[in-house]
Amino acid sequence: GDSVTQMEGPVTLSEEAFLTINCTYTATGYPSLFWYVQYPGEGLQLLLKATKADDKGSNKGFEATYRKETTSFHLEKGSVQVSDSAVYFCALSENDYKLSFGAGTTVTVRA
Amino acid sequence: SAVISQKPSRDICQRGTSLTIQCQVDSQVTMMFWYRQQPGQSLTLIATANQGSEATYESGFVIDKFPISRPNLTFSTLTVSNMSPEDSSIYLCSASQGASQPQHFGDGTRLSIL
Repeated sequence: GDSVTQMEGPVTLSEEAFLTINCTYTATGYPSLFWYVQYPGEGLQLLLKATKADDKGSNKGFEATYRKETTSFHLEKGSVQVSDSAVYFCALSENDYKLSFGAGTTVTVRA
Repeated sequence: SAVISQKPSRDICQRGTSLTIQCQVDSQVTMMFWYRQQPGQSLTLIATANQGSEATYESGFVIDKFPISRPNLTFSTLTVSNMSPEDSSIYLCSASQGASQPQHFGDGTRLSIL
């Protein structure tokens, strides 16, 4: 079945550092891929998405490219801020609408 | 994107009681879902709430424990029945407009059972 493997955390960075969170997936078809962010005490917010190979999703300085050849969707941000401290979830969805989530990566950015 | 309101936002309940969580969407949506997020963990899908028919439950979740209603295209409820401390979790509602469309989430209901 479908599954998502996400880089384990926690990740601690200094402000303005470069962030990468690795995400790889297993799927039978051609899924849509998503990154969600969960700030402390809140629900999940969609950060970005990509629906087909080579698509790049971007939002709030974050980017991720749908790589079919490596079945990956790594999240990157060039310069993190303290406000980026959150839990990040990689997820995929195929035709049945269901989301399969990765385990989540906790990111802490220190001033 | 759809805005999803969940209530209550949190509750503390006694063992053996039941609690109904409401999820309201500000526009008509095709799909609604209920998830559980145990402390420090990822999300697990409980069921898909189907409008006008019985919900579709995932493995490990049963209707007697988690009855779900979806009377129309903007509203759903999840009941957590006969609660025990193991049911202490965050319960999240989400909604989607269809295939390849992202799911949007409510802020969740933080449930503690004593």
